[in-house]
Amino acid sequence: AQSVTQPDIHITVSEGASLELRCNYSYGATPYLFWYVQSPGQGLQLLLKYFSGDTLVQGIKGFEAEFKRSQSSFNLRKPSVHWSDAAEYFCAVGGPSGNTGKLIFGQGTTLQVKP
Amino acid sequence: DTEVTQTPKHLVMGMTNKKSLKCEQHMGHRAMYWYKQKAKKPPELMFVYSYEKLSINESVPSRFSPECPNSSLLNLHLHALQPEDSALYLCASSQDSQGTDTQYFGPGTRLTVL
Repeated sequence: AQSVTQPDIHITVSEGASLELRCNYSYGATPYLFWYVQSPGQGLQLLLKYFSGDTLVQGIKGFEAEFKRSQSSFNLRKPSVHWSDAAEYFCAVGGPSGNTGKLIFGQGTTLQVKP
Repeated sequence: DTEVTQTPKHLVMGMTNKKSLKCEQHMGHRAMYWYKQKAKKPPELMFVYSYEKLSINESVPSRFSPECPNSSLLNLHLHALQPEDSALYLCASSQDSQGTDTQYFGPGTRLTVL
């Protein structure tokens, strides 16, 4: 079955500290992986995506993610968190599975930033 | 420009009202999507339009009626909604409806059904 798991429902970090949000996926074909961020009451903004090539991808706002096929993971990282990074983060997987256009989302991780 | 616009931002309606949500994109995308999102949950896919034709309906109740008048515009017509339909409704678009395409989301319409 195709699925995305974000093991951490809620994470709190201090401003300036490093951040890693975990994402594990199960997908039968070549996965196309995405991280989106959502501020309260807003839409989803694409942070970064991985389709192929270099397994370390850079995104907006200083975020990066590393694709590890052997671990079926696509973890999101940031070296130094800012208070404005407090938001909901969603990992999602899509791919060439029947022309459906469906994205499979994880349940999300809420990031709280302490001053 | 990767902008998807949605109107209105907020909507309050009674259970007997008829209202519509509007979504627009000018990126030349040929696939457009409606999602429903409850608080602290991921978006749930409702409908997919591909080349202005409905390609996916995720068993959505008939009180929700989508319409795609042209390749840039997507509407969601609402009628006889229930309080449990209160949610954030998100529109998205992508180059095509392949699962490999990046979906770009609008800011959403916050719907409250009284």
